[in-house]
Amino acid sequence: AQSVTQLDSQVPVFEEAPVELRCNYSSSVSVYLFWYVQYPNQGLQLLLKYLSGSTLVKGINGFEAEFNKSQTSFHLRKPSVHISDTAEYFCAVRFNQAGTALIFGKGTTLSVSS
Amino acid sequence: SAVISQKPSRDICQRGTSLTIQCQVDSQVTMMFWYRQQPGQSLTLIATANQGSEATYESGFVIDKFPISRPNLTFSTLTVSNMSPEDSSIYLCSVGRDPYNEQFFGPGTRLTVL
Repeated sequence: AQSVTQLDSQVPVFEEAPVELRCNYSSSVSVYLFWYVQYPNQGLQLLLKYLSGSTLVKGINGFEAEFNKSQTSFHLRKPSVHISDTAEYFCAVRFNQAGTALIFGKGTTLSVSS
Repeated sequence: SAVISQKPSRDICQRGTSLTIQCQVDSQVTMMFWYRQQPGQSLTLIATANQGSEATYESGFVIDKFPISRPNLTFSTLTVSNMSPEDSSIYLCSVGRDPYNEQFFGPGTRLTVL
């Protein structure tokens, strides 16, 4: 079965600490991978995406993610977080089949404190 | 990219009534999808809106409850019928264009059912 799993529902960190938000998927076909951020009471914003090519992708706000095909993972990282990074982060996968839509993980709440 | 507008942006409705949400895109798109985001939850795909034919619904969603229209390549509607408080959610329209591997999201319609 095709699915996407975010392993951590909540990640609390201190300001300026590094963070990794984990995402794994299960698929029998090739995939396109995305990370979205949603700030409180706001809409979805695309952080970064992997479509093809280099497995390390850089996004907005200093975030990056690495596609690992053998481990079927697409973990999101930031070397030093800010208070303003506090938000909900969603991993999303589109399975490479005609007409299929993005499937979202359950989300990870990143809470950055001083 | 695509510019997507949704109407209404928010509404408060009474139990047992219906609400129709409109999604308008600034250019022709191949794929149109409807998602639901319940409070504190991730996005769940409701259905794929097919131009000129019946929508394709995901498991747990039925046409009688969520009738969808797509009369052309730039417009779709989602109706939430016979509403209950459990239908209180944000409803999002999303589109993709061939050869498509990325989706764009509308601002959402925030629905509260009393």
